[in-house]
Amino acid sequence: DAGVIQSPRHEVTEMGQEVTLRCKPISGHNSLFWYRQTMMRGLELLIYFNNNVPIDDSGMPEDRFSAKMPNASFSTLKIQPSEPRDSAVYFCASSDRVVNIQYFGAGTRLSVL
Amino acid sequence: AQSVTQPDIHITVSEGASLELRCNYSYGATPYLFWYVQSPGQGLQLLLKYFSGDTLVQGIKGFEAEFKRSQSSFNLRKPSVHWSDAAEYFCAVGAEETGANNLFFGTGTRLTVIP
Repeated sequence: DAGVIQSPRHEVTEMGQEVTLRCKPISGHNSLFWYRQTMMRGLELLIYFNNNVPIDDSGMPEDRFSAKMPNASFSTLKIQPSEPRDSAVYFCASSDRVVNIQYFGAGTRLSVL
Repeated sequence: AQSVTQPDIHITVSEGASLELRCNYSYGATPYLFWYVQSPGQGLQLLLKYFSGDTLVQGIKGFEAEFKRSQSSFNLRKPSVHWSDAAEYFCAVGAEETGANNLFFGTGTRLTVIP
């Protein structure tokens, strides 16, 4: 398996623009997680899905952030409108209840100017 | 709720020296414990995990960790550090009933290796 695949790897955008980050989990995994990593706050869980259903979105910072998982092989994290303080590395991870290990993608480095 | 403390923000060791990274967790029941490593510009890679059984677990890249329930610790060790081990290391704790679905990560320890 190719592992968790995130795209794009880098995104540079201007304040106010919409940003969409994409994630393809490992095939067969039924849980998907979105994290944000910054120097100041470390690694923060934003939201996680189980069987394509959002289970815990308490980490989503505000209404500008939204996440979807339309099927078992694809998820998006959208920021609209983006702000400079959203600049961070966003990670996607997936797991299943058998192995009980989260596997991480390589991340998307977002810069909002 | 679970929590994790990694008391060392930054550690510097000489290549070939031994290494121990500290991790203390807070959780009342049986914890699931993990160590991840993050190289610059990369995602987190699992080094090792503890769910149950032998309290000394072996991982990849020559790392091991020991679960000590009495001390609520899960320290990571390596007998001889290589320059390629320079990275950020994260300890994480989960609960048996939720598995990997609800992990709490520490703030990380950055390891610098000097020649």
